[in-house]
Amino acid sequence: QVHLVQSGAEVKKPGASVKVSCKASGYTFISYGISWVRQAPGQGLEWMGWINAHNGNTNYAQKFQGRVTMTTETSTSIAYLDLRSLRSDDTAVYYCARHQGDFSAYYFDYWGQGTLVTVSS
Amino acid sequence: SYVLTQPPSVSVAPGQTARITCEGNNIGSKSVHWYQQKPGQAPLLVVYDDTDRPSGIPERFSGSNSGNTATLTISRVAAGDEADYFCQVWESSADHPVFGGGTKLTVL
Repeated sequence: QVHLVQSGAEVKKPGASVKVSCKASGYTFISYGISWVRQAPGQGLEWMGWINAHNGNTNYAQKFQGRVTMTTETSTSIAYLDLRSLRSDDTAVYYCARHQGDFSAYYFDYWGQGTLVTVSS
Repeated sequence: SYVLTQPPSVSVAPGQTARITCEGNNIGSKSVHWYQQKPGQAPLLVVYDDTDRPSGIPERFSGSNSGNTATLTISRVAAGDEADYFCQVWESSADHPVFGGGTKLTVL
């Protein structure tokens, strides 16, 4: 069975960086893309970007360009989200989610459990 | 950029039918996917490609999509269906998803 298991909660100061991991199991890692989606307290879902685990190509939401890096380690089936220059409004639960379906109509069939990142001085 | 609009809340009595809409320009030409999210949990896919259900999702959950409106229908609503529901499409021209703002379903 497919599982996406994320790293634990983080508390960071403004201006710091955070790296969240997402370990995949139960499927061929390089055959699927991974998106990162965050959710601020009481808010909706905000897509941050995605990485093609086969070739490492990325597409980041414009809002996070220059501040985010998504990578994968195919030998261990882990995807990483690196977010820099943290601000208080980056406080959110961060999810990884596996892509499924046609490339023109992707959806997310499996999600990690979420990682709470708190940014506070 | 493409925008999906959902009503903030929908209320329904137990045993009745809930309909949650997702409006977008010519959304009928796109594939719409729906997620259920309960407090403290990750989103769960309940309908994909407008009408299909993943394994394990009850037949009470169904979807439709035409014109400018997609609809998630939950029949015989139970207390356990109380959750936030999000619609999503993939904007292929920009290679990224678009989410609706979410609808809170309350079971009275």
